Formats: sequence, structure tokens, C-alpha cells
Amino acid sequence: EPEVTQTPSHQVTQMGQEVILRCVPISNHLYFYWYRQILGQKVEFLVSFYNNEISEKSEIFDDQFSVERPDGSNFTLKIRSTKLEDSAMYFCASSGGAGRGQTQYFGPGTRLLVL
Amino acid sequence: DQQVKQNSPSLSVQEGRISILNCDYTNSMFDYFLWYKKYPAEGPTFLISISSIKDKNEDGRFTVFLNKSAKHLSLHIVPSQPGDSAVYFCAASPNSGNTPLVFGKGTRLSVIA
Repeated sequence: EPEVTQTPSHQVTQMGQEVILRCVPISNHLYFYWYRQILGQKVEFLVSFYNNEISEKSEIFDDQFSVERPDGSNFTLKIRSTKLEDSAMYFCASSGGAGRGQTQYFGPGTRLLVL
Repeated sequence: DQQVKQNSPSLSVQEGRISILNCDYTNSMFDYFLWYKKYPAEGPTFLISISSIKDKNEDGRFTVFLNKSAKHLSLHIVPSQPGDSAVYFCAASPNSGNTPLVFGKGTRLSVIA
């Protein structure tokens, strides 16, 4: 069964460093998302991406964040200068789009720890 | 601003009995609702969904009920099995999907053998 994959599973970084989190969405899906879950809190939406551009973003997704689909399979989240409060589980999700189903399927997550 | 609320942080149920997880929402624009199950150190796994044109959707042991007038939905698991022990998240979106999901805080279900 197709699934969303994410790398790395864990990342430890120093405050101020750049990190790139990688995702491979389900291959025939058209919509891509990043969510995060800070320890003990609920899953929060960051950004959605469709047709090679951001379709929606939350107030969390400030100028330190960017997303990219560099090729036909990968979807990345970049945090330019990490802060302590960026420590969280980051989940990538994808959905099929019109006529292909609207359910979002999630990857296993990347646990980011900023020291 | 909790648009999706799961007021029970935890629930314990005997194996074989029914588990009922509840979710309330405040945003009238929500018209698509989903339940996800999450094990530690894994991503949310999709369980079942319902659109606002229905009041019930069933898939095997899982049934979701939607009461639009009360802005309430529930997930019934019957019979409950030990492998169902996980955190269950209710999520909602407007415009029938492919839009950002708003999640509740989750309910931790423990099914006791």
C-alpha cells in the first residue's frame, strides 16, 4: 500500500542552524502538507502546497520556513534559523485532490530537537 | 481557540466492549471530519471519515456518527481490542477536504485485556 515517507526520523541541531526535512508523498497525490506537534500539544497545520505553490499557510509558517518540491517526488520543509521552540514532531501529509480522494495520509514524522 | 475539542484526555475500556470517543466542534464551516489513530513515535493513521451530508459512516469495527445540530461527532469501536490502544485524534476541515485539518488534542484509549 502506498505510504508517505519522511527522512530523517530524528534530527538534532543547534539553535540558529538551518534544517531541511524531507518527505516523499504518495505518488499520485496532488496536495501536500506540513504539520507539527509540539510535545504534549495538538497537531497544528503549517502549510499546504498545490500546483507548485503554497496554497495556504498558518501564522506559525513565518519567514523562517519555506517549502519546495525540487523534483517529481520530494517535498521539503526548510527552517532557515532554528529556534528552541521549533523543537517538535514534523509530519508531512498528502492527499489525492479532486476526484482522487480528499483524505490526508500522514508520514511517520521527523522528530526535531533544537539545542 | 479550540475549534475542535476532545474533552476526554483518556478512556479505559475492557476488551470486547464498546469504546466511544467524543469530539465537539465550534466552526460551522467544517463539513468534513476524520478520525486518526496514533501510536507513539508514529504519524497519525487515517481511520474513518464522514462528510456533513451524512450522519453515520461505518467501516468494520469503526463507526462515526455526526450530529450537525449539536456540532458533535463520535467514534464507536466495537468490539474493542488491545491493539486499539492508541491516541485518537478528531480532525475537521471546511470545503470537503484538501484543505488544512484542524485537530483536537486527542484521547488516549487503553483497551484492557
